[in-house]
Amino acid sequence: EDQVTQSPEALRLQEGESSSLNCSYTVSGLRGLFWYRQDPGKGPEFLFTLYSAGEEKEKERLKATLTKKESFLHITAPKPEDSATYLCAVPVSTSGTYKYIFGTGTRLKVLA
Amino acid sequence: DGGITQSPKYLFRKEGQNVTLSCEQNLNHDAMYWYRQDPGQGLRLIYYSQIVNDFQKGDIAEGYSVSREKKESFPLTVTSAQKNPTAFYLCASSRFWTEAFFGQGTRLTVV
Repeated sequence: EDQVTQSPEALRLQEGESSSLNCSYTVSGLRGLFWYRQDPGKGPEFLFTLYSAGEEKEKERLKATLTKKESFLHITAPKPEDSATYLCAVPVSTSGTYKYIFGTGTRLKVLA
Repeated sequence: DGGITQSPKYLFRKEGQNVTLSCEQNLNHDAMYWYRQDPGQGLRLIYYSQIVNDFQKGDIAEGYSVSREKKESFPLTVTSAQKNPTAFYLCASSRFWTEAFFGQGTRLTVV
C-alpha cells in the first residue's frame, strides 16, 4: 500500500538550533517527492521537488534530500519565522489516474 | 499573476443547507483537487479531476459533490448529507505528476 509517514509530529527548536525533519515513503515507482510549508489558516506553499535518490535542493535555511526510502528536510540555524507545519507528498497512480498522498506533517516551532 | 483562487474565505452553513465552494485557476493545469483539513490533521482527498467533464472520488467523498465543466473551475458542493462539514477546505491544481499548487482555503463553519 502506498504510504507517506512524517516524523516527528512536532518539534521545538531554539533559534539557531539546526535539525532535520523526516518523510518516509512506500510507493511503487517514485515519480517525485514534494515538500510544502503551511502557515496557520493558509494553504500549503510549495517548497521543493525531488525526483531521484541523491538529489538535493536548497532554499535559504532549508535543504531537502532524497534517498530510496525517505526524504529529509534539513533546517540550518532556524529563525522564528521558520515556524510552520511542513508537509511532504508523493504522486501515486490509481486506475489510470493519479493523486497525491500527503504525510500528516511536522509542526515546527522555533523559539527566539 | 497566475494562481488558484478560492472563495469565499469564510463560509457559514445552517443545518440542512447545501453550500458551494468556488475554486478557479489560471495556471492552465489539467488536474484539480479538493482536500479537507481538520485541526491538527493531515490533508484528506475529497474529489479530484484530471480532465474536463470527468472526476473521481477520493477517500472521503460521501456528502460532497463536484463538477468540472471548464478547465479553470472545479466547484465543491457540501451537501446536507455531510454530517460534520466544519473544516478547512483546500483546492489544488497541477500538471500531470508534478507539484500541486494550493489556494488559500475556505473555512466552513456550521451554525
